Amino acid sequence: GAVVSQHPSWVICKSGTSVKIECRSLDFQATTMFWYRQFPKQSLMLMATSNEGSKATYEQGVEKDKFLINHASLTLSTLTVTSAHPEDSSFYICSARNGNSYEQYFGPGTRLTVT
Amino acid sequence: SQQGEEDPQALSIQEGENATMNCSYKTSINNLQWYRQNSGRGLVHLILIRSNEREKHSGRLRVTLDTSKKSSSLLITASRAADTASYFCATDRGDYKLSFGAGTTVTVRA
Repeated sequence: GAVVSQHPSWVICKSGTSVKIECRSLDFQATTMFWYRQFPKQSLMLMATSNEGSKATYEQGVEKDKFLINHASLTLSTLTVTSAHPEDSSFYICSARNGNSYEQYFGPGTRLTVT
Repeated sequence: SQQGEEDPQALSIQEGENATMNCSYKTSINNLQWYRQNSGRGLVHLILIRSNEREKHSGRLRVTLDTSKKSSSLLITASRAADTASYFCATDRGDYKLSFGAGTTVTVRA
């Protein structure tokens, strides 16, 4: 139980285009989903917190107009990287929280490469 | 923001040996969690220890928490090659937002 999937697992796009990444909780309803980014050999940095039916809360320094988050249902959150640039190339990971648990279940990540 | 510092940054041990890694943090917490990440993959939750707990066990894992020193340790006993991974501590102040440490890369040699 408690499986989180991400799609796509990797994507290559050209500079200036937009990319959408999906995060789904497969066997539970996620009250909250989180989006992180991770640069090579570095730790995870929280980008934003997403609650179903409400606007995402972004961490300081994260551009909300660049990283659009939509939490359309209790099992799906999407992250759209708009007008992507090479510096947006990174590993994007989502996680989901189930009910009142403090434990988060992580997706397998999406590797984005912007050329 | 990242508030955890982990040491060592890297650890290489022989199969069967124990691996110990430490995590320090700066602010008060509700709980501290340890995760494992295999190269290029997502994170796997290992163990959660609450701020009012001092020690917790799960299989070959032992976690301690010292809130007075704002530090935690993760011990993996009788290591196996499959334990090769990066290990991260993450603190939660009670708002469910995780702040991750820099991670310890563990290599277990056969």
